Amino acid sequence: SQTIHQWPATLVQPVGSPLSLECTVEGTSNPNLYWYRQAAGRGLQLLFYSVGIGQISSEVPQNLSASRHQVRQFILSSKKLLLSDSGFYLCAWSVLSGRVSPLHFGNGTRLTVT
Amino acid sequence: AQTVTQSQPEMSVQEAETVTLSCTYDTSESDYYLFWYKQPPSRQMILVIRQEAYKQQNATENRFSVNFQKAAKSFSLKISDSQLGDAAMYFCAYRSAGSGGSNYKLTFGKGTLLTVNP
Repeated sequence: SQTIHQWPATLVQPVGSPLSLECTVEGTSNPNLYWYRQAAGRGLQLLFYSVGIGQISSEVPQNLSASRHQVRQFILSSKKLLLSDSGFYLCAWSVLSGRVSPLHFGNGTRLTVT
Repeated sequence: AQTVTQSQPEMSVQEAETVTLSCTYDTSESDYYLFWYKQPPSRQMILVIRQEAYKQQNATENRFSVNFQKAAKSFSLKISDSQLGDAAMYFCAYRSAGSGGSNYKLTFGKGTLLTVNP
């Protein structure tokens, strides 16, 4: 069965520090991968998605970047964090093809920038 | 671009009663998918139910069912025999049916916080 691992679960970082969040999917070949952010009291905003190695699409211009150097790993990064980067970050995957393919989410990372 | 609207920021229901959460969406597409996700206090996103737009029959998963009105672009979730464990934030989501990676992303509403009273 497929599993998705996201770490760390919680992170507190000072403003201006770098960021690296990791997401790894097991049990599926070449999935679509996604990074969503959920700000307090708001819905989920899609940040990045990837359909394959090196293929990253950005939905919202921001202080973050994403990379995919391995088929089942998706990394969210920042060179210098801003206070506005605080939030709950969710990684998700879906199959590459097929009709009703829902997103399957990791447990999320709560990021607090101080 | 598609938009999803959940007009009820909060709802409450008595245990064992039935509650309906509303969702409307805006799209020019004829083929698409709709989902309801549940986010309990643990913050994990859990798929509750899915609906294919080309299917007229409303989806059902145990105590969860939807009322899909394609012409009205409405997709409500009904929870029957509510349980304390149903307390969570519920998100409605839309996905295009076309092929290609960009069509697999979900657009979410802002959510409805459901409280279940004992």
